[in-house]
Amino acid sequence: DVKVTQSSRYLVKRTGEKVFLECVQDMDHENMFWYRQDPGLGLRLIYFSYDVKMKEKGDIPEGYSVSREKKERFSLILESASTNQTSMYLCASSSGGHSGANVLTFGAGSRLTVL
Amino acid sequence: AQRVTQPEKLLSVFKGAPVELKCNYSYSGSPELFWYVQYSRQRLQLLLRHISRESIKGFTADLNKGETSFHLKKPFAQEEDSAMYYCALSSYNNNDMRFGAGTRLTVKP
Repeated sequence: DVKVTQSSRYLVKRTGEKVFLECVQDMDHENMFWYRQDPGLGLRLIYFSYDVKMKEKGDIPEGYSVSREKKERFSLILESASTNQTSMYLCASSSGGHSGANVLTFGAGSRLTVL
Repeated sequence: AQRVTQPEKLLSVFKGAPVELKCNYSYSGSPELFWYVQYSRQRLQLLLRHISRESIKGFTADLNKGETSFHLKKPFAQEEDSAMYYCALSSYNNNDMRFGAGTRLTVKP
């Protein structure tokens, strides 16, 4: 059973704070993703990574950075949190690599509130 | 650029009625299309993908390249189908995945 674990279920931070969201998967998946989920906007891709130390910008990378030092771990960093980054953040992973294999397994989500 | 459009934010039907959730996409290459579902207080999970041509929980979806659509259908909706449904697109042999805005389906008794 694939497990994608997000370290924090709920976080409350203040404007300007640095925020780390951690995600770990245990199925040796190549690809990992960070999305934010907002009502009416769906899931928007922030960053994804297809290999260790590799990253690609998604559609809304501004204000975010990522780190993938180990295959199983993908971290999302908010260098200076702002109120418009209040959202649900979803991490996902997939084996990818060939047609039909890019099925995402999601974590439970991290709900971040920035005051 | 890839784009997925789900024109209906909310859809409400009665139990036993047919249901169709619309999804349109724009992509210049060969897309791979998926439907994901999120039930209340559960994680987002795969419902079905076009490449498998399968029926899951009575749902089917056909990729229509001419109309660039991948609508999700079920002939007889059940109350347990109430959930948030997302259409998603991945470029062929690529590793990214883009989602639509989602449609919240409510099946009334």
